[in-house]
Amino acid sequence: GAGVSQSPSNKVTEKGKDVELRCDPISGHTALYWYRQSLGQGLEFLIYFQGNSAPDKSGLPSDRFSAERTGGSVSTLTIQRTQQEDSAVYLCASSLAGIGNEQFFGPGTRLTVL
Amino acid sequence: RKEVEQDPGPFNVPEGATVAFNCTYSNSASQSFFWYRQDCRKEPKLLMSVYSSGNEDGRFTAQLNRASQYISLLIRDSKLSDSATYLCVVTRTLNDYKLSFGAGTTVTVRA
Repeated sequence: GAGVSQSPSNKVTEKGKDVELRCDPISGHTALYWYRQSLGQGLEFLIYFQGNSAPDKSGLPSDRFSAERTGGSVSTLTIQRTQQEDSAVYLCASSLAGIGNEQFFGPGTRLTVL
Repeated sequence: RKEVEQDPGPFNVPEGATVAFNCTYSNSASQSFFWYRQDCRKEPKLLMSVYSSGNEDGRFTAQLNRASQYISLLIRDSKLSDSATYLCVVTRTLNDYKLSFGAGTTVTVRA
């Protein structure tokens, strides 16, 4: 079946602009996660959704970052007033029921802030 | 100190060789351990879970040493297709959703 999809695959933006990144999880997966991978760094947890609720937003780096999920499916990660340090690959993952199940990753969105 | 640390490598090995590398974790309460594989500019994919007693999956063997707080991955009879970055992943509890990733160890298998 279809895996996790993300769009756009690449995004180049100017400093100060807002960007929206989209994630379509695997059908039936109730849990959804956003991670960020900077060059040479491990994946950094950003936020976790169970259904449409986000019980853990602790990884969001600043209040410029927000995320929502609607219909228990698609999620968007929004970064306002982008900064150069926001440049990274943003990865989305989904899993069954959230806890203890394998997380399947999407191909990521490569964000470059000029 | 980072929660999960790995030797970045690269480990350059000839086909057929055995390569092994470790990952250390700082939180002694960590409960679940995994190895993920990430090909260049691709998403991470689960390679194998790591169990307390150690486990094998074909040519791959994973070990856990709780006393010294490290896990290891050994690849026997390396194939060209094993070239990738191997990510060490731990969680704080058995059913934790928050995965803590190492920065990865790069393995390059040459013909």
